[in-house]
Amino acid sequence: EVQLVETGGGLIQPGGSLTLSCAASGFTVSRTYMTWVRQAPGKGLEWVSVIYSGGSTYYAASVKGRFTVSRDNSKNMLYLQMNSLRPEDTAVYYCARCPYVAAAGGAFDIWGQGTMVTVSP
Amino acid sequence: DIQMTQSPSTLSASVGDRVTITCRASQSISSWLAWYQQKPGKAPNLLIYDASSLESGVPSRFSGSGSGTEFTLTISSLQPDDFATYYCQQYKSYSITFGPGSKVDIK
Repeated sequence: EVQLVETGGGLIQPGGSLTLSCAASGFTVSRTYMTWVRQAPGKGLEWVSVIYSGGSTYYAASVKGRFTVSRDNSKNMLYLQMNSLRPEDTAVYYCARCPYVAAAGGAFDIWGQGTMVTVSP
Repeated sequence: DIQMTQSPSTLSASVGDRVTITCRASQSISSWLAWYQQKPGKAPNLLIYDASSLESGVPSRFSGSGSGTEFTLTISSLQPDDFATYYCQQYKSYSITFGPGSKVDIK
C-alpha cells in the first residue's frame, strides 16, 4: 500500500527547533518529488518546501533560512528540520508525493495524515 | 510568486445541484493546475490535475476546465459526500501556491 506517515509534531517554545519525519511505503522517496505543506488552524493550505528526485530543494519565503528538507534514502524517509520557530509556524504539517513533475512542480496524489506543531511559550 | 484567487469563498447548495468554483492565477500557468477536496480534520484529496485530468478513483461528476489564468471546477450533481472545502493549486512555478479555498456547505 502506498502511504505516508508523519511524526514528530508537538508543543515547542518560540525560538526552538523540531524535526518532522515522514515515512513512506509502497514507493521510493529518492525517485520522487516530495513536498511539505502546512495548514494553520482554520486557515488554508500553504506550501513549505520541496525536494526533487535529483536532490534540489526550494523553500517558501516564510521559512527560507530556518527550515531544511532532507531525505534518508536507506530508510525511505523524508524530514523537515525546523529552527527558530515562531508562533506563526503553528500548523498541521503534511508531507505529500508528486508522482511526476509536469512543469516546475506537479500535483500531489498521496498525503500523510499530518502532524500538529504548536509554537507557544 | 504566482497568486491564486478563488470564488466564491463560500457556496451554499443542495444535493443534486450543479456547482461551479472558479480559480484565477495572477499570470498564465498554462494548464499546470490541480484541484483538491478537503474535509475537516483530513488531508487534502487530489481530484483534478493538469487542469482537466480526473485523478484515478475520483467520481466522474467532478470535472475541471480552463487554461492560462482562469479555471473552473464543476460538480455536475452535488452529493452528500461533496460538502467540503475545495482548493486549487498551481505548479507552473517551483514556488507552489494554493488558492484560499471555497467551502461548499448545505443550503
